[in-house]
Amino acid sequence: GENVEQHPSTLSVQEGDSAVIKCTYSDSASNYFPWYKQELGKRPQLIIDIRSNVGEKKDQRIAVTLNKTAKHFSLHITETQPEDSAVYFCAASISGSARQLTFGSGTQLTVLP
Amino acid sequence: GAVVSQHPSRVICKSGTSVKIECRSLDFQATTMFWYRQFPKQSLMLMATSNEGSKATYEQGVEKDKFLINHASLTLSTLTVTSAHPEDSSFYICSASPPNSPLHFGNGTRLTVT
Repeated sequence: GENVEQHPSTLSVQEGDSAVIKCTYSDSASNYFPWYKQELGKRPQLIIDIRSNVGEKKDQRIAVTLNKTAKHFSLHITETQPEDSAVYFCAASISGSARQLTFGSGTQLTVLP
Repeated sequence: GAVVSQHPSRVICKSGTSVKIECRSLDFQATTMFWYRQFPKQSLMLMATSNEGSKATYEQGVEKDKFLINHASLTLSTLTVTSAHPEDSSFYICSASPPNSPLHFGNGTRLTVT
C-alpha cells in the first residue's frame, strides 16, 4: 500500500519568515495530494490540495509543489503569522479521489512572534 | 461547503462498557464514510471504510468485532466501541465527501475509558 513520509516533525520559524514542509510518497499511482491543518483538539481542515496533472498550486500565502518523478510534494507558507501555528498533515490518495487517504506523520509548526 | 457532524465530542466511559459515536453528512449524501483514530501527537490512522447498505471494510489490525460500524442510511454512519478498555482511549474522527470533492472531517470524539 501507499506510504507517506513527512519532514520535519517539528518546525519553528519567526513571524514573517517562510515555512516549508516536505512529503514523499511511495505509490506512483497516487494522483491526489491534500494538506490539512489541525489545531489542538480540533478537526483537520483542508488548506490546499493538488492533483498530479499540475506541478504547483498557490492560494494567497500557501503554495504546494509536486514532483511526480521524484514522488515528493511540499507545502510552502510565506509571511508566517502566529495563527499559522498548528500541526500540518500531508496525504496522498491512490484512488484518484479524496476518499482513501494515507496521511503523513504530521509537522508541528510554531510561529514565534 | 460540505459539512460532516460528529457526536458526541467527548465521552468518558468505564472499562467494559460500549460507546456509540455518530457521524452525519449534513448537506450531502455519503455512500462511503471513513473512520480514523488519532493518538496524541500522532497521525490519523484509517480504521475502516463504512459502506452504506453493506459491510464495512476494516484495515489490517483493526478488530471488526470490537469496532462495530453501521451505515444504515446515506447520511449516517455509527461506530460502536464494544467492551472498551483504557487502551481504546483516543480521538476518533469520521470523514466523508461528496463525489469528486475534498474529504471533510467531523469534529472528532475524544474517548476516555477509565
